[in-house]
Amino acid sequence: QKEVEQNSGPLSVPEGAIASLNCTYSDRGSQSFFWYRQYSGKSPELIMFIYSNGDKEDGRFTAQLNKASQYVSLLIRDSQPSDSATYLCAVQYSSASKIIFGSGTRLSIRP
Amino acid sequence: DAGVTQSPTHLIKTRGQQVTLRCSPKSGHDTVSWYQQALGQGPQFIFQYYEEEERQRGNFPDRFSGHQFPNYSSELNVNALLLGDSALYLCASSFQEETQYFGPGTRLLVL
Repeated sequence: QKEVEQNSGPLSVPEGAIASLNCTYSDRGSQSFFWYRQYSGKSPELIMFIYSNGDKEDGRFTAQLNKASQYVSLLIRDSQPSDSATYLCAVQYSSASKIIFGSGTRLSIRP
Repeated sequence: DAGVTQSPTHLIKTRGQQVTLRCSPKSGHDTVSWYQQALGQGPQFIFQYYEEEERQRGNFPDRFSGHQFPNYSSELNVNALLLGDSALYLCASSFQEETQYFGPGTRLLVL
């Protein structure tokens, strides 16, 4: 079993709709959770991090964490064509430990 | 304020050769982590340097080695290159245990 699992996609969402990206992780002791956006040929860019159960909102982005279910999600409201990218879910056991990434979900926003 | 920088941006080597990649962390950051990202995969942790010492290491062979200098910059060295070493190599910096930010990466092609 992979440590961080994501659906590889592609996930196709119409412009203006809500895109929902999901991620599960295997280490129940994980403490920190991240969402990175990666455009083709570019390096990952941090867009959200979350440490506590519940929702965290930043502009059009909402991260949701459920530690009991070992589940992290990212919602993108009012999706724009510029949101088309690969979204990487990442998990960290403790603040000083390595970050473990999923393989990413490709998101495509269709006009 | 310059972000994380890496050099070179692209590199072509042949099997058996050695390569050195360089990373300068974001101003104020003292910790450097290196990741390998193969095509279609998430980044895989190679190792992390703090106070000029390797603090953590991922599941990579000894052909992969590194160094951190007193100014916090870092080098990744790979010996006896294999075709499978072709990847995007990412450097991420942080201030101690805080959030990691990625540089633009070095794309290595081994022929």
